[in-house]
Formats: sequence, structure tokens, C-alpha cells
Amino acid sequence: GAVVSQHPSWVICKSGTSVKIECRSLDFQATTMFWYRQFPKQSLMLMATSNEGSKATYEQGVEKDKFLINHASLTLSTLTVTSAHPEDSSFYICSASRGSTDTQYFGPGTRLTVL
Amino acid sequence: GNSVTQMEGPVTLSEEAFLTINCTYTATGYPSLFWYVQYPGEGLQLLLKATKADDKGSNKGFEATYRKETTSFHLEKGSVQVSDSAVYFCALSSNQAGTALIFGKGTTLSVSS
Repeated sequence: GAVVSQHPSWVICKSGTSVKIECRSLDFQATTMFWYRQFPKQSLMLMATSNEGSKATYEQGVEKDKFLINHASLTLSTLTVTSAHPEDSSFYICSASRGSTDTQYFGPGTRLTVL
Repeated sequence: GNSVTQMEGPVTLSEEAFLTINCTYTATGYPSLFWYVQYPGEGLQLLLKATKADDKGSNKGFEATYRKETTSFHLEKGSVQVSDSAVYFCALSSNQAGTALIFGKGTTLSVSS
């Protein structure tokens, strides 16, 4: 149990386009989902926390207009990178939990490359 | 602020060798400490955790002891297997459940037969 999937696993896009990444909890209801970003050989950095049905809470320094997060259902959250640029190329990882203070279950990540 | 430092890899070992991956932390208060493992193509999985000083977390033959005096949480295993090859992340959280996680950079372990 407690499986989280991400789609796509990798994506290549042109600069200036938008990319949507999906995060799904497959066998449990995720009240809270988290989005992380990981640069090569760096730590996972929390970008934002989203609770189902409400606006996401963004970490300091993360542009909420650039990284749009939607958590419209208890099993799906999406991250949309708008007007992507090469510096947005990174590994994006989501996690889901049954509650804001419950254990996080991680997805396998999505590799974004912006040309 | 809070931070986690773990040894850089890759760590390359032969099967049945002893494993240590060092992790030290900087934190205010009394954080909880975690080790996560990421197998190829999969998401991070919680391996073990400790929520207070001198606690020992253990799972699948791995152990780590919460040392407040040295601010460390080193991961150890007495005899590694090829199937242990993965990336290991040390992390801390201000709460026991492991939300608001702060991760180390990860250490890649490669075990050969």
C-alpha cells in the first residue's frame, strides 16, 4: 500500500512552453501533497505544500506564478511549470500523505529538461 | 537554520562488507531524524527513523543511532547485499511524522557480488 506515481517520468520541452506534471496517490487518499525539486548532487528542496481543496503554500523563494500547483482531488495533484526556461531543468519529486503530520510517501520523480 | 550533511558518494562495496554512511545535522530544538532509500526507478522510501536522543532506528538490517552529543545519525549495516544498491538520504524534521523534511544530498551505494 501507499503507492505514489508521477507522470511523465521524463519530459523535454522548448523554452517558453508550459509543462504539467501529475502526482497520484494510487491506493490511499492524500489530504496533503508536497512538491520537491532536486538539482544534480543536491538535496531535495521543498517547493510547496498543498492541501486538497485549498491553495498551496509555497516556500520562500519559489515563484507561485511560475510553479502552479493544483490539488483538486484526494488522489491527484499537478505541478505546472509555466513559461519554462533552461534553468527550470531539474528533477521534480512529489510526496503524499494522509494528513499534514502523517508519513510522506514519495513518487519516483519527473526529469524535466528545457531546451 | 536546520541542515543535514552526509558523506558524498559513491560508496562502492563488495557483498557482505560493512557499511557506514555518515550523517550529521544542525538543528534548533529536538528534531526527528530519518534515513530514506531510493532504489533505481522508484520513489524515496522511509528506511528508519529516530525521534529522540539515544533512540536507535532499525530496519532490514540497517541501524542508526540518534547521537545528540555529536549531532550525528550514521547509517550502518553489518553485511550489505547487491540488492542494497540505492541512493540513501539522511533527513531531519521538526516533528516525529517527518513532515517539513530537510534532506541531505544523498549518498549512492553500489554493491557488487
